[in-house]
Amino acid sequence: GQNIDQPTEMTATEGAIVQINCTYQTSGFNGLFWYQQHAGEAPTFLSYNVLDGLEEKGRFSSFLSRSKGYSYLLLKELQMKDSASYLCAVRDGDYKLSFGAGTTVTVRA
Amino acid sequence: GAVVSQHPSWVICKSGTSVKIECRSLDFQATTMFWYRQFPKQSLMLMATSNEGSKATYEQGVEKDKFLINHASLTLSTLTVTSAHPEDSSFYICSVKDRGETEAFFGQGTRLTVV
Repeated sequence: GQNIDQPTEMTATEGAIVQINCTYQTSGFNGLFWYQQHAGEAPTFLSYNVLDGLEEKGRFSSFLSRSKGYSYLLLKELQMKDSASYLCAVRDGDYKLSFGAGTTVTVRA
Repeated sequence: GAVVSQHPSWVICKSGTSVKIECRSLDFQATTMFWYRQFPKQSLMLMATSNEGSKATYEQGVEKDKFLINHASLTLSTLTVTSAHPEDSSFYICSVKDRGETEAFFGQGTRLTVV
């Protein structure tokens, strides 16, 4: 199975940068995903890492270290609309996703 | 990316009745679909893996006789919550595995409320 940990809540100011950490312990690894989820809606894909290193995608970047079982999602130039829950998910060899509990990010003006 | 349509978006039903939720892959053939459940302020939990033409594989603790999954075609999987009870009230989401893609595609989700 998978054990995925991420902080419960984070608060930041509009225009700032926030980093959401995720650590995992897995019985099989086939990629790590970050999703954004607004209340009452389905998750939307943000990023995917399968090799070590940094993947940059506009204001969002994601980093992976497989040897450390560690990833982070970096949100830059925060906007009010970025207030949401951010889910770290690990995929196993059967393409099943195991999700962390999610980090609720609140952006203040 | 793939387009996944889930229906209905929300449903309210009486305790003891059954509810069917559909998940359709609109632009490609999906041999595998996944069903997740999410309780308020909690993360998504995988319930079962739906395989076209064969029986679904259920995760530990999920009652297969209560949550019936049918994957009769390459574009449609259904989840039927049988004899629903208030504790089954949750957000149910399907996702589709698209071979070669680097992301899982999610349906819009179904908010089930059992009264």
